[in-house]
Amino acid sequence: EAGVTQSPTHLIKTRGQQATLRCSPISGHTSVYWYQQALGLGLQFLLWYDEGEERNRGNFPPRFSGRQFPNYSSELNVNALELEDSALYLCASSWTGMYGYTFGSGTRLTVV
Amino acid sequence: TQLLEQSPQFLSIQEGENLTVYCNSSSVFSSLQWYRQEPGEGPVLLVTVVTGGEVKKLKRLTFQFGDARKDSSLHITAAQPGDTGLYLCAGAWDAGGTSYGKLTFGQGTILTVHP
Repeated sequence: EAGVTQSPTHLIKTRGQQATLRCSPISGHTSVYWYQQALGLGLQFLLWYDEGEERNRGNFPPRFSGRQFPNYSSELNVNALELEDSALYLCASSWTGMYGYTFGSGTRLTVV
Repeated sequence: TQLLEQSPQFLSIQEGENLTVYCNSSSVFSSLQWYRQEPGEGPVLLVTVVTGGEVKKLKRLTFQFGDARKDSSLHITAAQPGDTGLYLCAGAWDAGGTSYGKLTFGQGTILTVHP
C-alpha cells in the first residue's frame, strides 16, 4: 500500500513569490491535514480538509490556503512568501484523526 | 486553545540507560498519540492511547496514559543508539471549537543515545 506522498521534496522560492505544495493521501483516507514544522521541533497545525471541504484551520494568515480535490489529494498554497515561511511542510492523512495520522516525508520550503 | 507541554526538550544519554519523556495538558484528552521522527522524514506513529490508566508496550518502549487523561509518559528501557530521534506527543480533544478534528503536538523531545 502506497503511503502519503508529497511533492516536491524541496522547493526554493524568492520572497514575495507563491509556492504550491502537493499531497496524495493513503487510499481510502478522506481527511488530509497540513502542518508546518520549523526548526525541527513541534508541528503547527495549518489546515484540515475532509470530503473536499475545509473543516478547520490553524492560526495562520489568509495567504496560507489550500484545497482538496475529488480524489482526496490536496494542495497547499502559500502566497506572498516571507523568509519566516521557510520550514518543513508535512501532510498527513487519516480516516479518523483521533487514532493517529500517517505522515508524508514533507516538502522543505526555503524562502530566500 | 489547548496546549500540550512536553518535557524534557533535550535528552542526551549513554547506551543502556533508561529515560522517561512526559506530556501534560490542563484539558482532558479524547486520545493521545506518540510519534517518532527522524531527520528528513515525517513523524511515524508509535502508539495511540485512549483509556485513562492505559499502559501499552512496544518492545523496550512503555507508554502510560494518566487516569485523568490529562497526561502521558513514554519510558524507554535500556536505550540504544537506534532510539535516537525526535519524539512527539500529540493530543486530540473532544470535537468542538478550534480543536475540532485536529491533533495538537507538543514541542518534542530530541533524544540522543551515545554508544
